[in-house]
Amino acid sequence: GNSVTQMEGPVTLSEEAFLTINCTYTATGYPSLFWYVQYPGEGLQLLLKATKADDKGSNKGFEATYRKETTSFHLEKGSVQVSDSAVYFCALRGMNRDDKIIFGKGTRLHILP
Amino acid sequence: GAGVSQSPSNKVTEKGKDVELRCDPISGHTALYWYRQSLGQGLEFLIYFQGNSAPDKSGLPSDRFSAERTGGSVSTLTIQRTQQEDSAVYLCASSVADYTDTQYFGPGTRLTVL
Repeated sequence: GNSVTQMEGPVTLSEEAFLTINCTYTATGYPSLFWYVQYPGEGLQLLLKATKADDKGSNKGFEATYRKETTSFHLEKGSVQVSDSAVYFCALRGMNRDDKIIFGKGTRLHILP
Repeated sequence: GAGVSQSPSNKVTEKGKDVELRCDPISGHTALYWYRQSLGQGLEFLIYFQGNSAPDKSGLPSDRFSAERTGGSVSTLTIQRTQQEDSAVYLCASSVADYTDTQYFGPGTRLTVL
């Protein structure tokens, strides 16, 4: 079945550092891929998404590229801020209309000032 | 606000008691979802509503868990005879029509079973 694997946290970085959170997936065909973010005390929010191979999703300075050849969708940001501290979830949804979104276990990110 | 709301935000209960968790989806959203978020386990799908019917209940972990939705709007997740392993954050989400649409999440209810 479909699955998502993302790097375990917590990840601790200094402000302005470069961020990568790895995500790989297993699925048949061409699933849609997502990154969700959960700020402290809040629900999940969709951060970005990509629906076909080589698409790049971007939002708030974050980017992720849909790599079919490596089945990956790594999240990157060039210069993180303290306000980026949150839990980040990689997710996928299969191609069938009835396919549910499957979430990774989440990666907690701490940014130090 | 026009987002998904959940109540209560926190619930502490004793083992063996029943609890009800409430979700108010975004107005006009047909689809509603319940998830469970346990420490270090990510999000676990529980149930999906399309209108008032639940075409997918595959994630409910046992028959102690049930959910209903009335008027195509508010949903209640009920856990009977709670166990300590039920302790988690229960998240509700809604979307315009179905799985293909972006899901909008509520802030969750943190359930602690003593």
